[in-house]
Amino acid sequence: SQTIHQWPATLVQPVGSPLSLECTVEGTSNPNLYWYRQAAGRGLQLLFYSVGIGQISSEVPQNLSASRPQDRQFILSSKKLLLSDSGFYLCAWSWKGRGTEAFFGQGTRLTVV
Amino acid sequence: QKEVEQNSGPLSVPEGAIASLNCTYSDRGSQSFFWYRQYSGKSPELIMSIYSNGDKEDGRFTAQLNKASQYVSLLIRDSQPSDSATYLCAGGNTGGFKTIFGAGTRLFVKA
Repeated sequence: SQTIHQWPATLVQPVGSPLSLECTVEGTSNPNLYWYRQAAGRGLQLLFYSVGIGQISSEVPQNLSASRPQDRQFILSSKKLLLSDSGFYLCAWSWKGRGTEAFFGQGTRLTVV
Repeated sequence: QKEVEQNSGPLSVPEGAIASLNCTYSDRGSQSFFWYRQYSGKSPELIMSIYSNGDKEDGRFTAQLNKASQYVSLLIRDSQPSDSATYLCAGGNTGGFKTIFGAGTRLFVKA
């Protein structure tokens, strides 16, 4: 069976500090990978998606970046965090192919102070 | 901007009743639709997928899709207090690589 691991579960970071969130998928190969952000009481905003190693598509202009150094590893980064970067960050994967459902990791609750 | 719209609620139903959750979408090219359940502080969990017009049943859950009206719904029969959560409607975009989520409907099931 497939599993997705995301860490850490919670994170408190000062403004201006760097960020690195990591996500790995097990039990499948060549998945589509996604980073979403959910602000309090809001829906999920797609930040980045990747269809393969080194292939990253950005959905929203921001000071975040994503990388996919290995087939089943997806990393979300920032060089300098802003207060507005606070939120619930979710990594997800889906099967290859169009219109397939996404499966989520446990999420990282980031608070920038 | 392709959107998925949901009533934010809260929707309150008594235990044992049918809960009806609704969603509309703007991308006429969308071919796949999903319902996720999200408990407070947790990540979304997929509960239903639907790709064709009509009804799809899975246990106490029934998803309904009407592509002509661009409308998706979720019925929960015999609602239980454990069904209390936020329900997210989502649709795959025309290109198929992205899933667009609604803001969610909060459901409360009163014991």
